[in-house]
Amino acid sequence: DAGITQSPRHKVTETGTPVTLRCHQTENHRYMYWYRQDPGHGLRLIHYSYGVKDTDKGEVSDGYSVSRSKTEDFLLTLESATSSQTSVYFCAISEDRGLGYTFGSGTRLTVV
Amino acid sequence: DQQVKQNSPSLSVQEGRISILNCDYTNSMFDYFLWYKKYPAEGPTFLISISSIKDKNEDGRFTVFLNKSAKHLSLHIVPSQPGDSAVYFCAASSNAGGTSYGKLTFGQGTILTVHP
Repeated sequence: DAGITQSPRHKVTETGTPVTLRCHQTENHRYMYWYRQDPGHGLRLIHYSYGVKDTDKGEVSDGYSVSRSKTEDFLLTLESATSSQTSVYFCAISEDRGLGYTFGSGTRLTVV
Repeated sequence: DQQVKQNSPSLSVQEGRISILNCDYTNSMFDYFLWYKKYPAEGPTFLISISSIKDKNEDGRFTVFLNKSAKHLSLHIVPSQPGDSAVYFCAASSNAGGTSYGKLTFGQGTILTVHP
């Protein structure tokens, strides 16, 4: 399997608290992405990175921030969690632009 | 605005028969299309892809067809097996201008159930 891991796998948090999800890869891939999966919406891009310290917003970036201080780690932070951010979050990596992704196993986040 | 649409939320098929999953897109700049398969509690896994310069790509039991004029692609699975039961996502990307950074736009997914 491709070396991509997400942590934690499950988390329950309270409304208004900050939450950080971690994506770690051992493939040395340049591109990393955060998606959320919701019923009826499929997978929607939150943020992505095209290199260390190079990040940009996706289609549903409000309420989220990211950081990539080294190639292997891409962190997603919910600055103040809301119930609408209850979702399954997937990290993905890609070796080259135009190729498909390898996904992590996901983080199920519940905001109560 | 959903640029990639899978209008069938679910599909049920008998084992051994053909499964046809459909996907429509609206962005004419998309030039690379992929299908992913997802089992519960796992991340999506790559299944098959097609470039816009082709109209068909085949890999074993899986064939993807692309109709650019209709902005439509389909995934055929023949013969279907119970282990194919999963959620299938189509995805598209555009490399025009070199600024897409490989971003994929996904459809909503179709739940395929193959009955023994």
